[in-house]
Amino acid sequence: EIVLTQSPTTIAASPGEKVTITCRASSSVSYMYWYQQKSGASPKLWIYDTSKLASGVPNRFSGSGSGTSYSLTINTMETEDAATYYCQQWSSTPPMYTFGAGTKLELK
Amino acid sequence: EVQLVESGGGLVQPGRSLKLSCLASGFTFSNYGMNWIRQAPGKGLEWVASISSSSSYIYYADTVKGRFTISRDNAKNTLYLQMTSLRSEDTALYYCARHLYGYNYFDYWGQGVMVTVSS
Repeated sequence: EIVLTQSPTTIAASPGEKVTITCRASSSVSYMYWYQQKSGASPKLWIYDTSKLASGVPNRFSGSGSGTSYSLTINTMETEDAATYYCQQWSSTPPMYTFGAGTKLELK
Repeated sequence: EVQLVESGGGLVQPGRSLKLSCLASGFTFSNYGMNWIRQAPGKGLEWVASISSSSSYIYYADTVKGRFTISRDNAKNTLYLQMTSLRSEDTALYYCARHLYGYNYFDYWGQGVMVTVSS
């Protein structure tokens, strides 16, 4: 079973600041997916296939990584980006989806 | 517009059963795999179960295997989750979400339905 470890657990950033969230897998994975969840709302697909932005996601966001290390980066933090971000992967052996524990991004 | 609307949640005693439904609209339901994902109060996301478009493939998380059953009715555009032998740790907001075959992510989520297991 692959375990996803996100860091940091919580981060505070000021508008205009660069933010990077990391997701490490216990074994190598092919792709990483990211979701944004705001308080009281359902999660939204944010980044798929490691680096592709979902529809409507601002291009200040980017995703990268390979193997066991992946990241989500916000080039310049904006107030609307405050949310919790989750990474997710799929493994076929055993067949299951796994989420990271989440990173809460707060406005400083 | 894609819509996933969950229903059937509520307060249930430990050991009892409950059946959730998710009504889909705005897309061809029979073309998509469907999933249940839950979130305990104040906690992160936990995948629960998945079913392929034709029900050929069904997978469960170890935490619910043998107690929960996922199913679908493509004629009714509806996904189900039959939950039995409920435990306090099953208390969560349950989301249904879709995925396209061959794509291992969830591109649309419902608003969720709350299940509380308590005596």
